[in-house]
Amino acid sequence: TQLLEQSPQFLSIQEGENLTVYCNSSSVFSSLQWYRQEPGEGPVLLVTVVTGGEVKKLKRLTFQFGDARKDSSLHITAAQPGDTGLYLCAGVSYGGSQGNLIFGKGTKLSVKP
Amino acid sequence: DVKVTQSSRYLVKRTGEKVFLECVQDMDHENMFWYRQDPGLGLRLIYFSYDVKMKEKGDIPEGYSVSREKKERFSLILESASTNQTSMYLCASSSWTSSAKNIQYFGAGTRLSVL
Repeated sequence: TQLLEQSPQFLSIQEGENLTVYCNSSSVFSSLQWYRQEPGEGPVLLVTVVTGGEVKKLKRLTFQFGDARKDSSLHITAAQPGDTGLYLCAGVSYGGSQGNLIFGKGTKLSVKP
Repeated sequence: DVKVTQSSRYLVKRTGEKVFLECVQDMDHENMFWYRQDPGLGLRLIYFSYDVKMKEKGDIPEGYSVSREKKERFSLILESASTNQTSMYLCASSSWTSSAKNIQYFGAGTRLSVL
């Protein structure tokens, strides 16, 4: 069974701090996605990383896909209260069922003003 | 914009009742999914469907069934609701054929309480 381990599970920080969320697996993925879920809503895609070693930036968010395509990280610079939410990584496996994603359990981020 | 609509945001049901959760997507997606989300357990796949009248079991199908009579609609059925089915239920859809394949678009969720 393929698993994606996310860490930390919870993160509570002050506005302006930096943070990194990790997503690790022993399996190789063809691509990896990051979603954010706000309270009372469904997850919304932030980014997809496809190539090993790829780095993508979305304003203050930086996403990296590991060279071996087994891990990924999300770094937030100068966090703001609007970044509060549940961050989920999801992997697309080679040869997996059509369209199915392997989800991590999520990192719940709280940014205090 | 892709829109996935779940019929209810909140539902309260009694043990033993038959419960229907409805999901409609407006983007002609082939794939549709039902998940439940519980604290500490993340998103767990209940059932998915690749096409009309097609269904596949996910990781936790016990106690649930699904129906996909039309491409845009995917229903989750709790045949006899139990308290351990109290959860947040999320529906998602995706396209296998578009350039955005494998991206799942989620509804806002249905928070079900079984008393």
